[in-house]
Amino acid sequence: AQSVTQLDSHVSVSEGTPVLLRCNYSSSYSPSLFWYVQHPNKGLQLLLKYTSAATLVKGINGFEAEFKKSETSFHLTKPSAHMSDAAEYFCVVSVSGSSGSARQLTFGSGTQLTVLP
Amino acid sequence: GAGVSQSPSNKVTEKGKDVELRCDPISGHTALYWYRQRLGQGLEFLIYFQGNSAPDKSGLPSDRFSAERTGESVSTLTIQRTQQEDSAVYLCASSLVGGGNNEQFFGPGTRLTVL
Repeated sequence: AQSVTQLDSHVSVSEGTPVLLRCNYSSSYSPSLFWYVQHPNKGLQLLLKYTSAATLVKGINGFEAEFKKSETSFHLTKPSAHMSDAAEYFCVVSVSGSSGSARQLTFGSGTQLTVLP
Repeated sequence: GAGVSQSPSNKVTEKGKDVELRCDPISGHTALYWYRQRLGQGLEFLIYFQGNSAPDKSGLPSDRFSAERTGESVSTLTIQRTQQEDSAVYLCASSLVGGGNNEQFFGPGTRLTVL
């Protein structure tokens, strides 16, 4: 079984300061990990994904995440927050089935990011 | 089309009525997924289609829920005898092929309210 825990339901930062959104996962096999962002009244958008290549993954809009197997973590970071980053962020894990069949994504409960002027 | 589309965008219905939600995936995408997002919660997987077959229905919460897909095109999610706990945003996603590594592109969702 696989699961995802987002450690903070809400994070508030000032514009221009660093962002850290925490995510821990549980998986029996080597996982693929994703971060998605959901802006109000818009669809989910993929920020970045890890699929067993480089452990430091760079995504869109200056976000990046580091896969740490020893800590079972995949925290999302950004050096400097922008007002437009205010949204809900979801950490997601996926594990392919042993038969190679597709598996659904398992979503965390989300972290609401607020950026203060 | 340019992205995944869903209709209707909003649906208000009375308890006990049936509803049908529609998803148009990105053209050429063979895999299609349905999720449910309750207020303040993450997404909950419902069902996955590869082509028009559904190898994974494990997320459907009850036999009131069913889904079908025509070829590698439109999918409909049907909820019979709706209950208030069915109120949620229902999201559809598609990907080029099935597989856990492939990016899923999400539609804007259908907000269902059961009175």
